[in-house]
Amino acid sequence: DAKTTQPPSMDCAEGRAANLPCNHSTISGNEYVYWYRQIHSQGPQYIIHGLKNNETNEMASLIITEDRKSSTLILPHATLRDTAVYYCIVRVAYGGSQGNLIFGKGTKLSVKP
Amino acid sequence: ETGVTQTPRHLVMGMTNKKSLKCEQHLGHNAMYWYKQSAKKPLELMFVYNFKEQTENNSVPSRFSPECPNSSHLFLHLHTLQPEDSALYLCASSGEVEETQYFGPGTRLLVL
Repeated sequence: DAKTTQPPSMDCAEGRAANLPCNHSTISGNEYVYWYRQIHSQGPQYIIHGLKNNETNEMASLIITEDRKSSTLILPHATLRDTAVYYCIVRVAYGGSQGNLIFGKGTKLSVKP
Repeated sequence: ETGVTQTPRHLVMGMTNKKSLKCEQHLGHNAMYWYKQSAKKPLELMFVYNFKEQTENNSVPSRFSPECPNSSHLFLHLHTLQPEDSALYLCASSGEVEETQYFGPGTRLLVL
């Protein structure tokens, strides 16, 4: 089972920031927070990941709370092409079944004009 | 993105057919994966290969037979499938098994 909790759906206005929350209250010290998204019927796309510190790349920012029990993915200027299901996943960064990606149901983000 | 490619993109097969799905990665990765995504269900890991060796089989029925001839290619051989096997089959790769996985576009399979 997925070790994260996400809202099933969210709406965002085009051009505004989309803030997608994720709860992972049982996260272990050696587990990373990963975000992927899946546009309808396509393969999941890697977005970003982090351990403790906030991270930013060309796609998004990841804000992890100090106690690491929750995080927020921020898309700074959402476009219609950002409409997708967003998955928050926690995993250890080493091999074996504990390092597997366990996908939950994610958050369906709808960006509206 | 063309780092991980999958062919065919769509496949329709009868229950008595034999077909194969192909995945190729152009990222120099050492680990490759097969996932299944059925309608309305989360992605499920099927197989993991690391340096061409199968390291994980997630209780997948024997009618699905994976093959990894080298670190760049991964196949999924299909034989006597059932209609409930209709799904999106996704391939992924990573540098090492602990690193970030990158997915292909998937093969949409319909079993009649």
